[in-house]
Amino acid sequence: GENVEQHPSTLSVQEGDSAVIKCTYSDSASNYFPWYKQELGKGPQLIIDIRSNVGEKKDQRIAVTLNKTAKHFSLHITETQPEDSAVYFCAPRGVLSFGAGTTVTVRA
Amino acid sequence: EAQVTQNPRYLITVTGKKLTVTCSQNMNHEYMSWYRQDPGLGLRQIYYSMNVEVTDKGDVPEGYKVSRKEKRNFPLILESPSPNQTSLYFCASSRNQETQYFGPGTRLLVL
Repeated sequence: GENVEQHPSTLSVQEGDSAVIKCTYSDSASNYFPWYKQELGKGPQLIIDIRSNVGEKKDQRIAVTLNKTAKHFSLHITETQPEDSAVYFCAPRGVLSFGAGTTVTVRA
Repeated sequence: EAQVTQNPRYLITVTGKKLTVTCSQNMNHEYMSWYRQDPGLGLRQIYYSMNVEVTDKGDVPEGYKVSRKEKRNFPLILESPSPNQTSLYFCASSRNQETQYFGPGTRLLVL
């Protein structure tokens, strides 16, 4: 099955700084790479995704980069704000596998 | 409003007492699944369904049952709950097995 590793498991950043989370996967057939955000007391929600024919995608303060050769993709959050505090999950291969999650805390 | 609903949101029960957690989606999605979330373990898939009357085991199916008699509903059944099934449960649906839409979660405590 798919082996998914997400690093770091926790991340504390000062408000305004950047945060980067990396997701490594093993299945070379993966061609869809989403990131989900889970706020306290809620279910995960898709925030950005990328397909294998694209190397980078940006949506305001968040971006996802993909290195298919090395089998990893990363979530980048710039100018972090308190509302970015949440748990973030990667999910290569869509519904079949999730990373263990990264708890991001933005310090005011 | 497009959504996935789960009921109940919170449940405390005792070992061995059968329970059902309901899940319903209004997006006409074919794919539905159940996950449990435990600290440090992320989201683990329990069961999934690719369409009506088609269900299959995920990574952690032991102790659970599901059914898919209608496209919109996908209940999770615990025939004889045990304390190790205390967890946070999420139902999700997807049109194309890629982007998933999650319900709000059901927090279960088995005493």
